[in-house]
Amino acid sequence: GIQVEQSPPDLILQEGANSTLRCNFSDSVNNLQWFHQNPWGQLINLFYIPSGTKQNGRLSATTVATERYSLLYISSSQTTDSGVYFCAVEPRANSKLTFGKGITLSVRP
Amino acid sequence: DGGITQSPKYLFRKEGQNVTLSCEQNLNHDAMYWYRQDPGQGLRLIYYSQIVNDFQKGDIAEGYSVSREKKESFPLTVTSAQKNPTAFYLCASSPLTGGPNEQFFGPGTRLTVL
Repeated sequence: GIQVEQSPPDLILQEGANSTLRCNFSDSVNNLQWFHQNPWGQLINLFYIPSGTKQNGRLSATTVATERYSLLYISSSQTTDSGVYFCAVEPRANSKLTFGKGITLSVRP
Repeated sequence: DGGITQSPKYLFRKEGQNVTLSCEQNLNHDAMYWYRQDPGQGLRLIYYSQIVNDFQKGDIAEGYSVSREKKESFPLTVTSAQKNPTAFYLCASSPLTGGPNEQFFGPGTRLTVL
């Protein structure tokens, strides 16, 4: 099946810093989603982005489908950005999501 | 409010007992999913259903069972055959048709086997 690799596995930032989180996938995808898992375990949808670029406040994402990667940018990080960020891909329409192992982000005040 | 609810939030079970986790959605989504998450790991798919009265095994279905008698509900039973049931269980749903098949998640159930 499709492989999803996220890097770096862990990231520590000072509040106010910017960061880039990467997701590589091994095959073409129909869909790609980014999630933030908060300390209580809830998965929050950040982006649905099979291709192109989207922005939502301090967060933006870019997926280059032809090169099989996606990037999540966090600018002016805040302590509330801490948690685990997951990338998940759907290889074909209406197939199942495959998750990466996640990137643990810690933002220090 | 539209969304996905899971109950209970925390569940404790003795070894050898079956237990059922509830998942309900009022988003009118066709598809529903169950995932398992172990500490420090990503999510792994247990079962999914794309239509009422039909469901498919995911990657780690052994020791689990599901039913889909109503569109809104997709309960998961963790049976005594599941060797390592202690984990965080997440339910999700997606529209499947009529637009992007974006998955949304419930708040999860933490199951601990004593």
